[in-house]
Amino acid sequence: EAGVTQFPSHSVIEKGQTVTLRCDPISGHDNLYWYRRVMGKEIKFLLHFVKESKQDESGMPNNRFLAERTGGTYSTLKVQPAELEDSGVYFCASSNLRAGNTGELFFGEGSRLTVL
Amino acid sequence: AQSVAQPEDQVNVAEGNPLTVKCTYSVSGNPYLFWYVQYPNRGLQFLLKYITGDNLVKGSYGFEAEFNKSQTSFHLKKPSALVSDSALYFCAVREKGGGADGLTFGKGTHLIIQP
Repeated sequence: EAGVTQFPSHSVIEKGQTVTLRCDPISGHDNLYWYRRVMGKEIKFLLHFVKESKQDESGMPNNRFLAERTGGTYSTLKVQPAELEDSGVYFCASSNLRAGNTGELFFGEGSRLTVL
Repeated sequence: AQSVAQPEDQVNVAEGNPLTVKCTYSVSGNPYLFWYVQYPNRGLQFLLKYITGDNLVKGSYGFEAEFNKSQTSFHLKKPSALVSDSALYFCAVREKGGGADGLTFGKGTHLIIQP
């Protein structure tokens, strides 16, 4: 069974540009989460989808970040325009509904974003 | 608000010795507690969790953790460390019945096992 896959693995962009990160969850997992880790700091929750609906987006930093999950399958996270402080590793995680209630998540390898 | 503290940025242990990676948490109610591990260039992998029941939980790769409610701790332990245990370890918490869906993670502890 394929795990959670994320693309790209690393993106280097200039301040003001746009980047779109993609996450393909494990097939059949209705819960999809985005997290971010800034260098050396905590992994911070960004948002949670249940199927195509945003269940909780309380962790989204500001309106430069837009997450979508059309059709309830893969998700994208767009940063527009990117700022220096957006640099970090963006993790996607998924779980089935039952596991999601107790928080056991399956993570992708992360997309490293560097904003210059 | 939920929070997790991992007081050590790095823990160094000789191979074969016991290891402990510390974690304390803060939640309003009762917690679900987790440990995840990240090997180089890999995603986070689930190690173990405490939901309810026995305070000592056993997980993957011979790791275990003990939930201590009075000390609000959930330290990760292993009786005999292997070089292959070297990785970045994250503790996480979620409040039972809490409104927030996401896990709250600590900042991670680098575990280095020396041959």
